[in-house]
Amino acid sequence: GAGVSQSPSNKVTEKGKDVELRCDPISGHTALYWYRQRLGQGLEFLIYFQGNSAPDKSGLPSDRFSAERTGESVSTLTIQRTQQEDSAVYLCASSFQGLAGNTIYFGEGSWLTVV
Amino acid sequence: AQKVTQAQTEISVVEKEDVTLDCVYETRDTTYYLFWYKQPPSGELVFLIRRNSFDEQNEISGRYSWNFQKSTSSFNFTITASQVVDSAVYFCALSGFINTGTASKLTFGTGTRLQVTL
Repeated sequence: GAGVSQSPSNKVTEKGKDVELRCDPISGHTALYWYRQRLGQGLEFLIYFQGNSAPDKSGLPSDRFSAERTGESVSTLTIQRTQQEDSAVYLCASSFQGLAGNTIYFGEGSWLTVV
Repeated sequence: AQKVTQAQTEISVVEKEDVTLDCVYETRDTTYYLFWYKQPPSGELVFLIRRNSFDEQNEISGRYSWNFQKSTSSFNFTITASQVVDSAVYFCALSGFINTGTASKLTFGTGTRLQVTL
């Protein structure tokens, strides 16, 4: 597609349930990123993929969070046993090759609400 | 460690006023990139500009201009003759240069909410 696509746009889930968030990057972009934005706050880096590998996953807040990427394309961010503090917008982004020297483009985000 | 500070949480201006959004950064990298993004109410982050640290020339794009001052670690953003459509949250961000450990991520400031009214 023309831009970074994320689904679902909105997700309301009960505490303790698992959720999966999907990201389709811009075609041809080898680098993919996940960020989290809590209400009224800036963006927190979660994980970076180069191809299907994740050389930097330093931002994942706990072992309940995991992500994978397949076919150097689609990525899925999984949150297990969701907690209320997981409520946030999860933003996916992609860039041609790595970040340095390349513009990073963001999707519209997946709004997650844990009740 | 990298850090971006946007001290202005919220700014309100009347249409046609000029407004400057401040951004101060900290990094140990000798070369780096600086960015500005706009986040309108729809939520999508819109890329505005990327500057590398060895190019200190100021840049103008229409009503937008950016003032990069390496000596004060600042990368300020000015909107001239503001319009209602400029209302959004604006984020400043920083990343390392290629082959540095900080090159794989953007470090964002907390954003400045700009409200432009008629």
